Amino acid sequence: DSGVTQTPKHLITATGQRVTLRCSPRSGDLSVYWYQQSLDQGLQFLIQYYNGEERAKGNILERFSAQQFPDLHSELNLSSLELGDSALYFCASSVGQGGSGANVLTFGAGSRLTVL
Amino acid sequence: AQSVAQPEDQVNVAEGNPLTVKCTYSVSGNPYLFWYVQYPNRGLQFLLKYITGDNLVKGSYGFEAEFNKSQTSFHLKKPSALVSDSALYFCAVRDVGAAGNKLTFGGGTRVLVKP
Repeated sequence: DSGVTQTPKHLITATGQRVTLRCSPRSGDLSVYWYQQSLDQGLQFLIQYYNGEERAKGNILERFSAQQFPDLHSELNLSSLELGDSALYFCASSVGQGGSGANVLTFGAGSRLTVL
Repeated sequence: AQSVAQPEDQVNVAEGNPLTVKCTYSVSGNPYLFWYVQYPNRGLQFLLKYITGDNLVKGSYGFEAEFNKSQTSFHLKKPSALVSDSALYFCAVRDVGAAGNKLTFGGGTRVLVKP
C-alpha cells in the first residue's frame, strides 16, 4: 500500500455522462497530481495542485476539471464523456511542490474508467 | 519543453543475465531524472532518481542507472535479472527550472525475464 488512496477502482459509464474520481494523498504530502494512462497516449500529465492551489497544468481537456480541498484530498471531474476517455487515471502525491527539490511522486493504484 | 524517449517497447532477457533499459531525455536546462516500475494492475513505484552529483545512481531492488550528460541518457541497469523483475518500466524527466513538479514520462518499456 503506497498510502495514496483512489476511489473508485473501477467505473463503467456511458458516453455523455459525468464522473468524479477521488484521491487522498499520502499523509504529510501537500501536492497532488493527476495522470491519465491509455494504450495509445501513454502516461499523460493532467494537472498538479499544491496545498489547494493549481501549480502546473498539462494536457487536460476543457471537459475535465480538478480541485484540491482544504483537507488536501483531490477530485478529478470528467464530463461529456467520450469513448476515448476510457483509461486508467492515476493520482500521485508528493511532499513539496517542485522548485529546487526533486520531489518523488508516490502513486495510487489508479481508477480504471470504461466509457461505453 | 521536456521530453523522454524509451526506444525499446520490450526487452527480453534470460534470468541471471544483465538487464538494461534505455532512456534518453530532452530539457532546456538541467534535468531531474527518475525511473519507475509498474506491475500489472498496480500503480507506479519509484525505483531511483538523479538530482546532481555522482553519475551512477543506486536504487531499489538492485537497480542502478547511469546519467550521461553528453549523450542525454539515463539508462537503467541490473547486473543479474530476476523473473520477478518482469514489469513495465518508465523513465521520467523534470526540468529543474520548470514551475511546479511536472514529470514527463516516456512511453514505457516492457521487460520480460525468462527463467
